[in-house]
Amino acid sequence: ILNVEQSPQSLHVQEGDSTNFTCSFPSSNFYALHWYRWETAKSPEALFVMTLNGDEKKKGRISATLNTKEGYSYLYIKGSQPEDSATYLCALRSYDKVIFGPGTSLSVIP
Amino acid sequence: GAVVSQHPSWVICKSGTSVKIECRSLDFQATTMFWYRQFPKQSLMLMATSNEGSKATYEQGVEKDKFLINHASLTLSTLTVTSAHPEDSSFYICSARELFRGYTFGSGTRLTVV
Repeated sequence: ILNVEQSPQSLHVQEGDSTNFTCSFPSSNFYALHWYRWETAKSPEALFVMTLNGDEKKKGRISATLNTKEGYSYLYIKGSQPEDSATYLCALRSYDKVIFGPGTSLSVIP
Repeated sequence: GAVVSQHPSWVICKSGTSVKIECRSLDFQATTMFWYRQFPKQSLMLMATSNEGSKATYEQGVEKDKFLINHASLTLSTLTVTSAHPEDSSFYICSARELFRGYTFGSGTRLTVV
């Protein structure tokens, strides 16, 4: 059974600060790790899909890394902006299902 | 890009009544639809997986007679909460998978049973 954890649960940063949070999981027996960005009252938006140990993905100021051997993925946001405020979810995809972590809630203070 | 329309976005119903939530894939064929439920400050918990034209597969602990899932076409899946009770109050969200592509979420439904 996949168990996905995320830390911290919530985070408050000043505009312009860079930040990062963690997704951890006990097993490398999965197909892919997904990161989603979820703003209130909107659909979760896919950010990254990573499959291989050592994968690094970047999208603007946001990047992510994957370490399957040690069971974690980091999401980095450089120069946080108020519009980055959202809940960031990671999820592990096995053959037939996607298991989500509880999310990290990010608030960027102007 | 792929869009999934979910509605209603919120609903309040009386205890004992049934509520239907719809998810439609607007510009792609959803071969598989996932239904999730989220309690406050918790993860999205998978309730069931449905493939078009076949019976849904429910996760352990999810009552299939209470949460009826129908996936009659490649663009529509419905979740019906039957005989709703206050403990069924939650946030329900669907996710659709198109073959060889990723997952697209609806915007969720906030159900309050009074």
